[in-house]
Order: sequence, then structure tokens, then C-alpha cells
Amino acid sequence: DGGITQSPKYLFRKEGQNVTLSCEQNLNHDAMYWYRQDPGQGLRLIYYSQIVNDFQKGDIAEGYSVSREKKESFPLTVTSAQKNPTAFYLCASSLAGRSQETQYFGPGTRLLVL
Amino acid sequence: GENVEQHPSTLSVQEGDSAVIKCTYSDSASNYFPWYKQELGKGPQLIIDIRSNVGEKKDQRIAVTLNKTAKHFSLHITETQPEDSAVYFCAASRDTGRRALTFGSGTRLQVQP
Repeated sequence: DGGITQSPKYLFRKEGQNVTLSCEQNLNHDAMYWYRQDPGQGLRLIYYSQIVNDFQKGDIAEGYSVSREKKESFPLTVTSAQKNPTAFYLCASSLAGRSQETQYFGPGTRLLVL
Repeated sequence: GENVEQHPSTLSVQEGDSAVIKCTYSDSASNYFPWYKQELGKGPQLIIDIRSNVGEKKDQRIAVTLNKTAKHFSLHITETQPEDSAVYFCAASRDTGRRALTFGSGTRLQVQP
């Protein structure tokens, strides 16, 4: 899991509630990523950021929002607009945002809906 | 956009046997192909990668082969051990345009002692 931490390990969301997943890295990496993992499926890209104060939508950005105010932090908010949020969420980082650099993953946050 | 298909979805082998996982990709501009191993409840970890200017790469018991013409690449694990049991993901990306990794759906490998 390297120098990437995600918290909490488990998160419960009530209907209509926004929740925020934390991702912090101490690897001095420029690029950070959020993926969603559903059972039997691969990782799908939600958002990514190649530099502070900049981020781009991935394949499944609807119902999610992010911010990148600091190099080491890339929090993900799951909004009430995301109708099926139950999944395993993985944060990753890489040195400079070029696709051919190794992405290092955090331990993940499992989000469950009450 | 890129589409990566991975087979099989599950694979069971006896300890000491070899395991092969195959992936195909759709974007001919993809030129980077990493493989990740994910253990239960953890994030994926890179185990080996290959770039499109190379046909094969080995690292001890694992190897990856790439056929650019057919647009497929494979992971080979020899002399499997119980600790190889995990979910393995292939991925593909390009270095122009959208650069993010596109992942396959994963293969659950079970090594029977």
C-alpha cells in the first residue's frame, strides 16, 4: 500500500446524504486517481488529477466530486446524486501523471448504503 | 475509448503448475500494459509491466508477453505457490490523449496446495 492512506476503511451512507472519502499520500506524487471497484468487475476511473488545483472526469464521474487543494490530498465526495454508491473505492497516485508510470494504490474504502 | 477484456474470470491450478491469464485490448495506440495483483481487502499492487517496444518480459516466476499485431498480452506464472492466490488485473494505456489506465475485469487465481 506504500505511502497512500485511505480513511475510513468502512463508511455507511444514509439516503440523501453526501459522504467524503479521504486519500492522503506522502510519496510526493503529482498525480492522483480515484477508482470504483464492483464485484466481478475491474477498476473504473472516477476522477483523476495530474497537478494541484486541476482534475478531470473519468469514465463514471456522475454523482461524484473531488478537490485537489494540496498535493498530498485528493478527497472524493459521493453525493446524493449517485444512486448506487455501494462499492469498494480505491485511491492511487503516480509520480507525474504520465500513464506509463506505476500507480500505487491505497488500501481502499468500502462504502455501504443503510 | 479503450476496452480491455480479460480471461478467464476464475482459474484453479495445483501448486507447482503454471497459470496463464490472457487480455485483449482495442485501442491500437495503447503502448503500456501493467499487471496488478490484488489480495483480499487490499489495494492492487503492480507485479510486472510491459511496453509496446518489447515482446516479452520476465521477473523470476512471472512473465508477460505482448502481441501487438493481435492486440493481446498474457501473464504467465510458473511453479505456482499458495501465496499466488489472488485476483489479477491487466490494464492498458496510451501516452497521448487520455492517458489513464483501462483495467480488465480481473481473474481470480486459486492455487490448490
